[in-house]
Amino acid sequence: GEDVEQSLFLSVREGDSSVINCTYTDSSSTYLYWYKQEPGAGLQLLTYIFSNMDMKQDQRLTVLLNKKDKHLSLRIADTQTGDSAIYFCAELRDSGNTPLVFGKGTRLSVIA
Amino acid sequence: DVKVTQSSRYLVKRTGEKVFLECVQDMDHENMFWYRQDPGLGLRLIYFSYDVKMKEKGDIPEGYSVSREKKERFSLILESASTNQTSMYLCASSPLSTGELFFGEGSRLTVL
Repeated sequence: GEDVEQSLFLSVREGDSSVINCTYTDSSSTYLYWYKQEPGAGLQLLTYIFSNMDMKQDQRLTVLLNKKDKHLSLRIADTQTGDSAIYFCAELRDSGNTPLVFGKGTRLSVIA
Repeated sequence: DVKVTQSSRYLVKRTGEKVFLECVQDMDHENMFWYRQDPGLGLRLIYFSYDVKMKEKGDIPEGYSVSREKKERFSLILESASTNQTSMYLCASSPLSTGELFFGEGSRLTVL
């Protein structure tokens, strides 16, 4: 299929780690992105990874990329209530001017 | 600070009315996009533009048109609004040849 796949919901307890998974479609994708959407707001870029990388870490965020399986994950350490949001995975297919292809988003709920 | 501004956060229109959704970016970005967001369906691309006076159809262009007379402004037009166009509309911009999108806050349109 042509879709970027994500599970729709994830619930975690405050202080635990969250792992949001994504399966993308195009082995030639150059960049893969994670966007965050807080309630009532637009999307904001959270982090991204270039396709020749396996891992990227940025404070509490760790992105893992498995190119063989076309699998991308976002790990949030020490999840806080402020992390409650919808997280979108997106791929940039080919290079140059093609629009990002988004997954449907994973709604993360953090329970205090 | 980069900014994408959508003219209206909330609109209520009647079936058959013509609706204009305006989007302005102050980052001198070449690319601009219109998405709609619906629960369970994620983001769906309506139209995009890579340059002034240029437009490309996205995945769901039916019932919509766009206008890009100036680089900083991208307008979405519903010629005759219908109830199935009730949705959240998100505008975004990006620099040339990069997937990093900057989103507006969104316009929630209700068609009665």
